[in-house]
Amino acid sequence: EAQVTQNPRYLITVTGKKLTVTCSQNMNHEYMSWYRQDPGLGLRQIYYSMNVEVTDKGDVPEGYKVSRKEKRNFPLILESPSPNQTSLYFCASSLVQGLSETQYFGPGTRLLVL
Amino acid sequence: QKEVEQNSGPLSVPEGAIASLNCTYSDRGSQSFFWYRQYSGKSPELIMFIYSNGDKEDGRFTAQLNKASQYVSLLIRDSQPSDSATYLCAVINAGGTSYGKLTFGQGTILTVHP
Repeated sequence: EAQVTQNPRYLITVTGKKLTVTCSQNMNHEYMSWYRQDPGLGLRQIYYSMNVEVTDKGDVPEGYKVSRKEKRNFPLILESPSPNQTSLYFCASSLVQGLSETQYFGPGTRLLVL
Repeated sequence: QKEVEQNSGPLSVPEGAIASLNCTYSDRGSQSFFWYRQYSGKSPELIMFIYSNGDKEDGRFTAQLNKASQYVSLLIRDSQPSDSATYLCAVINAGGTSYGKLTFGQGTILTVHP
C-alpha cells in the first residue's frame, strides 16, 4: 500500500530535550516536505526536499533541522524544543513538485512541549 | 495581506444544499490551485485541482477558477453530513525562487446539518 508514515504519532516532551520525528514514504517520490498546523494559521511549510541531499527552508524553519540521506526518509529534528513548537506536524511527499502533482500526507504527529 | 485567504467560517448548510467555499490569492504567478479536505484529527486529502480558468467538475464537486480576479472556489452539491470537515485551499507558485512551493490558506470549516 502506497503511504507516508510518521513516528511517533503523539509525543510529549520537555523544553530543550532533542527529538526526532521520522517520516518515510514507499512511493519513490522525489519531493518531501514538512508542515506544521496551528489553529487559525493553516498549514505552514517548515522545510522541503527536492531530492536526496537537497533541502531548503520553507516559511517557518526556525528551530528545526532536516536531512535527506535516503530518498524514502525525511526526518524532522528539533534540537532544543520550545513550547511554541507545540503543534500538529505533517510530512508529505509527491513525485515531483510540479503544477499538478498531488501531495500525499502522513497521518500527523501531535507534539506537546512543556 | 496573506498569500492565500479563506473565510475561516464555520459555514453551516443544510443537508442537500450547495456549499460554496471561497479562496483568494495574492500572487499572480500562481498557476495551480488545489482543494484539500481535512477531517478533524486527520491528514489533508486532495479533492480537486484546477489550473485553467473556468469550471472543473468531479462528481458533486465543482472547482471554479478566475485568474483575473485571483479567485478560486469549490462548490459542493447535494451536501451530506459526511462532507463536514475543514476545506483547505492551496496554490502553487509557477516562477522565481518559489517555484513549486505549495502555500495553504487557513481553511474553512464546513458543517452540514441534517
